[in-house]
Amino acid sequence: GESVGLHLPTLSVQEGDNSIINCAYSNSASDYFIWYKQESGKGPQFIIDIRSNMDKRQGQRVTVLLNKTVKHLSLQIAATQPGDSAVYFCAETYHLIYNQGGKLIFGQGTELSVKP
Amino acid sequence: DTAVSQTPKYLVTQMGNDKSIKCEQNLGHDTMYWYKQDSKKFLKIMFSYNNKELIINETVPNRFSPKSPDKAHLNLHINSLELGDSAVYFCASSWTGATNEKLFFGSGTQLSVL
Repeated sequence: GESVGLHLPTLSVQEGDNSIINCAYSNSASDYFIWYKQESGKGPQFIIDIRSNMDKRQGQRVTVLLNKTVKHLSLQIAATQPGDSAVYFCAETYHLIYNQGGKLIFGQGTELSVKP
Repeated sequence: DTAVSQTPKYLVTQMGNDKSIKCEQNLGHDTMYWYKQDSKKFLKIMFSYNNKELIINETVPNRFSPKSPDKAHLNLHINSLELGDSAVYFCASSWTGATNEKLFFGSGTQLSVL
């Protein structure tokens, strides 16, 4: 899960290894979850999403797992590459009252560092 | 062709000044947002507009005033800047603002208040 503290949680992996980034979300009513990747000096970029009626979704080299029982989300990156080095954010949304629009709540973020 | 572009990328200013950050998206999206990212990388929504109409207005000091002249533009004006306003501000857009849409972010404006 996420660390709570003053410093951004970090994960250091060797190139070619698999990475697992964890996230604990806060609202049991959340029904849509997204992972974003933020490279240095850039804005967050969409990676993969999952709805609450699913527990697993696969993309290209990435897999998201959702465990609603314990409100836990994870992002698995296969064969991690140096270009995967970034801060990864999980985000959750839940429906607001009518006409209030979507509200995306971001988690703390985890910094992934890939060693060549 | 940058999808969501914001200017300036860096903004250094003195306390008490007034400054603006501009944002434009060429994706044809209806909804635009402003997010604030603090020094710990925590991202928090400030405002969202749908077709020039204010939808979300989080607990943000009224020194911050968004303005949307049309649905492709959402500018952020900040009055009487304070040290605590130092952060990276991100503009974003999405198709309709529905809860199950991905956001497209700009590259951020790093604001430093001295």
